[in-house]
Amino acid sequence: EAQVTQNPRYLITVTGKKLTVTCSQNMNHEYMSWYRQDPGLGLRQIYYSMNVEVTDKGDVPEGYKVSRKEKRNFPLILESPSPNQTSLYFCASSFKFIGGDSYEQYFGPGTRLTVT
Amino acid sequence: KQEVTQIPAALSVPEGENLVLNCSFTDSAIYNLQWFRQDPGKGLTSLLLIQSSQREQTSGRLNASLDKSSGRSTLYIAASQPGDSATYLCAVRVETSGSRLTFGEGTQLTVNP
Repeated sequence: EAQVTQNPRYLITVTGKKLTVTCSQNMNHEYMSWYRQDPGLGLRQIYYSMNVEVTDKGDVPEGYKVSRKEKRNFPLILESPSPNQTSLYFCASSFKFIGGDSYEQYFGPGTRLTVT
Repeated sequence: KQEVTQIPAALSVPEGENLVLNCSFTDSAIYNLQWFRQDPGKGLTSLLLIQSSQREQTSGRLNASLDKSSGRSTLYIAASQPGDSATYLCAVRVETSGSRLTFGEGTQLTVNP
């Protein structure tokens, strides 16, 4: 089954304790990205990756890191989480955007993170 | 900067009614527009994707239209059912932003039995 998976689905942690949220897709997609969803602010892009070893900042990258060592995986790293990073996080993937061909994006089930 | 607005923010209808959800965007230079469904606490399920060169897409009881020049899209749901209750999000992929999607805040739909 074609899918985007995220782990963990739920996480409660304390300020300053480094954490990683994993994202994996089995569709051979080149493009992957991370979004956060907050009430009143909607979904905002954190980071994206156009291919292996190619990453770039989205709208709200502060406090986050990513890496893309393999095509299927795109982990989101919070080196020193703070309470304002409490949010619902989504990973997404699609085939690479090429000129006029624009493919739909597939989303993971979400990770609900609480930082106390 | 692209802005996406969805109206209404919430909608409650009786079962069986046909309904229309609206989405507007400020930058008409888009590559595509995608409608998603989100159930409470869950991920996003893609419903329909309309390329910028298309006027509409249909899937079952759903029909999405796109008027790129006026910056508008509508999602039409025919013969609504309680199982359609969810938040509906539209998102646009803008030419100047690579592959980024810009989302509206959604319309929360409740279909009452």
